Order: sequence, then C-alpha cells, then structure tokens
Amino acid sequence: DAGVIQSPRHEVTEMGQEVTLRCKPISGHNSLFWYRQTMMRGLELLIYFNNNVPIDDSGMPEDRFSAKMPNASFSTLKIQPSEPRDSAVYFCASSSLIFSEQFFGPGTRLTVL
Amino acid sequence: AQTVTQSQPEMSVQEAETVTLSCTYDTSENNYYLFWYKQPPSRQMILVIRQEAYKQQNATENRFSVNFQKAAKSFSLKISDSQLGDTAMYFCAFMKRMGGNEKLTFGTGTRLTIIP
Repeated sequence: DAGVIQSPRHEVTEMGQEVTLRCKPISGHNSLFWYRQTMMRGLELLIYFNNNVPIDDSGMPEDRFSAKMPNASFSTLKIQPSEPRDSAVYFCASSSLIFSEQFFGPGTRLTVL
Repeated sequence: AQTVTQSQPEMSVQEAETVTLSCTYDTSENNYYLFWYKQPPSRQMILVIRQEAYKQQNATENRFSVNFQKAAKSFSLKISDSQLGDTAMYFCAFMKRMGGNEKLTFGTGTRLTIIP
C-alpha cells in the first residue's frame, strides 16, 4: 500500500489567496483526520471524518477553514482567505477501525507570505 | 478534556546507550489507548508503540518498550541500544476508547539526539 498521500508537499502563497490541501487515505480505512503542527501550538486536530461524514470540527480555527470528504478516497482542506498565521505543517491521517492507530501522511508545509 | 505532558523538551544520549522518555497524562476515562509517535527530520509521523489501558502487560516492540503505570497516569518510553536513526522528535499521545471519539491528543514532544 502506498500509505496516506498528501499533495502538495510544499505550498507557498500570498496572504489573501485560497489554498487547497489534498489527501488520499489508505484504501479501506474509514476514518480520516486533519492535523496542524506549529511550533507554538504543537500538533492539534482540526477535523475528522468517519465514513465520509464530519464527526468533530471543533478544532477548525475559524470560518476561513473548511474541509470536505466527497468519497472514501479523497479529502480536501481549504483555507480562504489565507493569512500568515496559517503557516504550518498540515497532516492527514487515516485509520481502519474505530479506536485503531492512525497512519499519517508526509504532511504539507504551508507558508503564507 | 484530556491533557498529555512531556516534561523533557530535549534529551541526548550516546549511541548504544539506553534512554527513557517521560510522559504523563490526565483523564477521567478508564478505557483508552496510549501511543508513542516518532517524527524524524523528514517530519513523517511514525507509530512506535501503543498500549491499551486495560492491559496490564507493558507493550514492547524490539528495542522499544513502555512502562505503563495506570494509577500514576504515567507512560514512559524506553529505547534500548539506541541507534543514530533514533534521532527524532518523540510524541506521546492519548486516545479515548469509548464513545466513538478517535481524536488523538498529543504532548509537546521530546527532541532526542543520539550522539555517535
């Protein structure tokens, strides 16, 4: 299995632009998670899906952030408009069963200038 | 809410020595999982070991083992015969087992350096 796939690996954009991060979970996994990692706040959960349905989005910072999972093999995290404080590494992770360990993608390093 | 505390921001040890990383957590839950993840410079998050709270036996994975003290809410990671490839950030993480909540709560991490 190729593991969790994220794209792009690096994204540099200017403040105010729309940013879309993409994730393909491991085939057969039914849970998908978006995390953000910063020096100040560490690793924090933004949102997660079970069977394509958003379960907990309490970690989404504000209305500028949105996430979708249109099918079992694809999810997006969108930031519109982006701000410099959104600069971070964004991880996608998936798991196969409730209460199972999560497998992480390589992350997307986002820099907003 | 659950909290995870890693009190050692940085540690270093000579190659081939043994090192122990500390983790404590706070929860009112009785059923949960604990994990150690490794993040090398490549930034990939790699699962090292996991422990189910209802199991009294400490988990082991080759050179990696844990000391799980449920009453003390302590979950330390021991790395034996340390290798240069063990150099990484290590994160302790908590996950509730009941209620369908699969959220991982992470500690702030310990940066481990293995010295040749």
